[in-house]
Amino acid sequence: QVQMVESGGGVVQPGGSLRLSCEASGFNFRDFGIHWVRQAPGKGPEWVAFVQFDGNLKMYADFLRGRFVISRDNSKNTVHLQMSNLRLEDTAVYFCLQDVPGAPFDYWGQGTLVTVSS
Amino acid sequence: DIQMTQSPSSLSASVGDRVTITCRASQAISNHLAWYQQKPGKVPSVLIYAASTLQSAVPSRFSGSGSGTDFTLTISSLQPEDVATYYCQTYDTARRTFGGGTKVEIK
Repeated sequence: QVQMVESGGGVVQPGGSLRLSCEASGFNFRDFGIHWVRQAPGKGPEWVAFVQFDGNLKMYADFLRGRFVISRDNSKNTVHLQMSNLRLEDTAVYFCLQDVPGAPFDYWGQGTLVTVSS
Repeated sequence: DIQMTQSPSSLSASVGDRVTITCRASQAISNHLAWYQQKPGKVPSVLIYAASTLQSAVPSRFSGSGSGTDFTLTISSLQPEDVATYYCQTYDTARRTFGGGTKVEIK
């Protein structure tokens, strides 16, 4: 069974940084891309970033303007999201999700909450 | 980026009513569209994928249609347990954009 476990969330001041982690299991991790999606309180899900199975292709939502960096370590079945210059509007629950080409997001973890507050 | 526009943003209908939600993509996405249902405090769950294929265990009162840029989610007979927010999402590219959501309530 596919499992995605997010961690690293917390409370951070505006302008601060935070590193999220995602540990995946239940599938051959090095064969699949991984996405980050976030959901702000009372809002809909919002796609954030994607990393290809080998880490060679990375894609980001335009609104990030270079503030976030996605990376992966296939030896540890882990994906990271390094977030910097955080803004109030980055407050959200962040989810990592398996990329299955031609299929929607079937397996959601519980996410990790990031709160940007002064 | 592909933009996904859902309408309406909210609706209120009576039990037994037929409910229709629409989703428009800013460019053609073939049938690479999913509909999710999200209940309060829960993560989204897939109702429909490939625009019209019902996910396993989803009640048959839910149906989807469309291709290209225009898509529809229909609940043929609204039930109290269908109170939720519904989102469309494209998976045509790696940029998996979501629609803004439609909140469904019982009148």
